Amino acid sequence: NAGVTQTPKFQVLKTGQSMTLQCAQDMNHNSMYWYRQDPGMGLRLIYYSASEGTTDKGEVPNGYNVSRLNKREFSLRLESAAPSQTSVYFCASRRSGQVYEQYFGPGTRLTVT
Amino acid sequence: QQQVKQSPQSLIVQKGGISIINCAYENTAFDYFPWYQQFPGKGPALLIAIRPDVSEKKEGRFTISFNKSAKQFSLHIMDSQPGDSATYFCAAQLTFYDKVIFGPGTSLSVIP
Repeated sequence: NAGVTQTPKFQVLKTGQSMTLQCAQDMNHNSMYWYRQDPGMGLRLIYYSASEGTTDKGEVPNGYNVSRLNKREFSLRLESAAPSQTSVYFCASRRSGQVYEQYFGPGTRLTVT
Repeated sequence: QQQVKQSPQSLIVQKGGISIINCAYENTAFDYFPWYQQFPGKGPALLIAIRPDVSEKKEGRFTISFNKSAKQFSLHIMDSQPGDSATYFCAAQLTFYDKVIFGPGTSLSVIP
């Protein structure tokens, strides 16, 4: 049981380049999330998906797109990276209903130069 | 109204001491208050959590105190150990809407 996995672990991009961050979970969870973590800002929600085929914007969605490919996978795409998107990105998942805990992946550290 | 405030930003405690982290919220619709612990290079992991109908929850050396009228809650770590050194996030959750609001985090260092 791998839990929540993310690839890549590290990435350096130049301004204007694009990339996709991959996330997968093997816990049969319905809900999946993408957060970014910046010093002093806590975890801020970028996008989330309550179920396969649905996605919703979070607190900071600008500059990002997501795809809920199937129940297991939820990807985050940066179409034209900007230095302000330098951050650590975490994917998380949760079983829906009256189950509260979110399970987080190990994170992707992204630097945009 | 969706914000969760957390203090202090950083905390240094001697081994064996008590670590206290405080949080406050505004939205009374929040229905779950988890604390997450994050070690360097790792993702956050649930440490302990409380629902608003309970005033205190204890798990081992970790205790959450919850004051519904003041809209405040706190984490107490008794007999703090160097292995407790991590970043701690309080959070407030609106489960029906699938939303979790995190505080900005507290970096705890427990020195021998």
